[in-house]
Amino acid sequence: QKEVEQDPGPLSVPEGAIVSLNCTYSNSAFQYFMWYRQYSRKGPELLMYTYSSGNKEDGRFTAQVDKSSKYISLFIRDSQPSDSATYLCALVGGSNYKLTFGKGTLLTVNP
Amino acid sequence: DGGITQSPKYLFRKEGQNVTLSCEQNLNHDAMYWYRQDPGQGLRLIYYSQIVNDFQKGDIAEGYSVSREKKESFPLTVTSAQKNPTAFYLCASSQIVSVTYEQYFGPGTRLTVT
Repeated sequence: QKEVEQDPGPLSVPEGAIVSLNCTYSNSAFQYFMWYRQYSRKGPELLMYTYSSGNKEDGRFTAQVDKSSKYISLFIRDSQPSDSATYLCALVGGSNYKLTFGKGTLLTVNP
Repeated sequence: DGGITQSPKYLFRKEGQNVTLSCEQNLNHDAMYWYRQDPGQGLRLIYYSQIVNDFQKGDIAEGYSVSREKKESFPLTVTSAQKNPTAFYLCASSQIVSVTYEQYFGPGTRLTVT
């Protein structure tokens, strides 16, 4: 079983839809959770990070962590064409500060 | 304007040649990283460095070499021993003393070897 599983998509939604992006993980040592957004041919940019179970909101974006189920999600409300990108989850655990990345989900928001 | 710069954006080389990718940061971060990204494979860690003059192999270090002579610079050399060097290479940095360990990425270098 891979340490982090992420559905690669592609995911295509109409403008204004609510988008749900998800990752599951197997190692309970992961304690910090991040979401990166990567536009085509660009470097990833940090979107959100969280370290506790529950929800964290930032504008149209909500990061959700369920440590008991080892499941993390990113919700995008009122999705816009400018949200079209690849979204990568990244996890950090224990004393090892290295990030473990999911493979990314390609999202397209259609006008 | 703080950030990470990578140059060049596109690089073309003939098979059998070594090539060096540049990465510079002015964020005063202690740690720097090199990743390789291939379609459908996500990001894979090549090398990382926590302090000057020290670095460690990541998951796919074979065929690559690095140096860390200055805090702000972490160049990556792709040697002729790397069997499949064509890829998108990303440099990142982070602060070691951090609660969340978030990494910040440069714009990437796309290397094509023919």
